[in-house]
Amino acid sequence: KNEVEQSPQNLTAQEGEFITINCSYSVGISALHWLQQHPGGGIVSLFMLSSGKKKHGRLIATINIQEKHSSLHITASHPRDSAVYICAATGNQFYFGTGTSLTVIP
Amino acid sequence: DTAVSQTPKYLVTQMGNDKSIKCEQNLGHDTMYWYKQDSKKFLKIMFSYNNKELIINETVPNRFSPKSPDKAHLNLHINSLELGDSAVYFCASSPTSGRGNEQFFGPGTRLTVL
Repeated sequence: KNEVEQSPQNLTAQEGEFITINCSYSVGISALHWLQQHPGGGIVSLFMLSSGKKKHGRLIATINIQEKHSSLHITASHPRDSAVYICAATGNQFYFGTGTSLTVIP
Repeated sequence: DTAVSQTPKYLVTQMGNDKSIKCEQNLGHDTMYWYKQDSKKFLKIMFSYNNKELIINETVPNRFSPKSPDKAHLNLHINSLELGDSAVYFCASSPTSGRGNEQFFGPGTRLTVL
């Protein structure tokens, strides 16, 4: 069993929909990262959080330390949001989720 | 200006060869990393250096040897390449060695071993 589990693995949405990607982890962490990997392969760090909630534009990330769970929300989704979203937990080691492939259809 | 750069972008080579991938960051960060992303897109950390010193060395074959000539560079040398080494290798950097720091990724190097 992976220390970091993401769901869903694949997600298709219509443009404008509200999207939620979930991440659960089973290890102690110092921070939880959300990464975005574009179809071209480049990786961008979206959020790094250790508690509460962060917001950048249409993206919102939350974390519940007690429940060991984080969510990434995308409001008013757009085709350019199509990418793989990866959850990574950092503590004594680095643990990566297997990613959620998001496709937003116009 | 590219913050984290890697060369080459693509590398195709024969089994048994020795190759190097270079990484440079111009962000003034103290910590640099190497990650491997396999064919299933699963990311795994390989090494981390802080101020030219190794701080993380995950279970990787000793055919892989990182070299950090200065804190802006972390090169990855691979000896006796094997088919299973085919993957995309990403370099990243962060301000300090604390694992709660945001990381900035390079564009990746796609290694294909024939």
